[in-house]
Amino acid sequence: EVQLVESGGGLVQPGGSLRLSCAASGFTFSRYWMSWVRQAPGKGLEWVANIKEDGSEEYYVDSVKGRFTISRDNAKNSLYLQMDSLRAEDTAVYYCARDLKGEAYWGQGTLVTVSS
Amino acid sequence: QLVLTQSPSASASLGASVKLTCTLSSGHSSDAIAWHQQQPEKGPRYLMKLNSDGSHSKGDGIPDRFSGSSSGAERYLTISSLQSEDEADYYCQTWGTGIRVFGGGTKLTVL
Repeated sequence: EVQLVESGGGLVQPGGSLRLSCAASGFTFSRYWMSWVRQAPGKGLEWVANIKEDGSEEYYVDSVKGRFTISRDNAKNSLYLQMDSLRAEDTAVYYCARDLKGEAYWGQGTLVTVSS
Repeated sequence: QLVLTQSPSASASLGASVKLTCTLSSGHSSDAIAWHQQQPEKGPRYLMKLNSDGSHSKGDGIPDRFSGSSSGAERYLTISSLQSEDEADYYCQTWGTGIRVFGGGTKLTVL
C-alpha cells in the first residue's frame, strides 16, 4: 500500500523558515517524480514544486522561486521542502504527492501557519 | 499558457447523475488530465487519468459510478447514482514540462 506521511508543519513568524518532510512507503520511491501541493484556507489546490526521480531537475511555482527548495533522499525514501523567507500568504496545508502525471497518490497534509 | 477552467459549483439530487466539466486552454486540446476528489476536511484523492480520446484509468477502489469522457478541449467527470459521500470538491489537473497545473475546482452539492 502506497503511503505518504508529511511532517514538520507548525506556526512560524513572517520571515522565518520551516522544513517539511514526507516519508514514502509502499512503492519504489526512486522511480517517481514527487510534488508538493498546498491549499490555503478556503482555497483550491496549488502546485508548489516538483523534483525528478534522481533529483536532477526541480521546478517551482513563480510565487515561491528563490524562497523554497525541494529535495529528496532516495536512500531514505524521503521528500523535503525547505521554506525560507516565509510570508503570511504561504499559510496553507502542504501535501506531498507522487507523480501528478497520471496515477497519483496523496499524503494527508501538514499545516503551516505564518503569523506573528 | 496552460490553464484549466472549471465551474465553481454544481448540484444534483441524491441518486441522480452529474457531469462536471474541465476546459483546457488554447493549444492544449490534446492533453490528458487527471481528476481528484477532496471530501470535506480530508486530503485529495486521485480518481482517474483521462485522455483526449476519452479513455481513462481509475485509481484503486474508485467505484464504477465515476467515469470520464472527452470532447475537444473539454474533459468531463460523470458521477452516476449520486450518494451523499460524493459531496466534495473536484479538481482537474494536468502537466507540462516539469510543471503541474490545477483547475480552480468545482464544489459539488448533493441535494
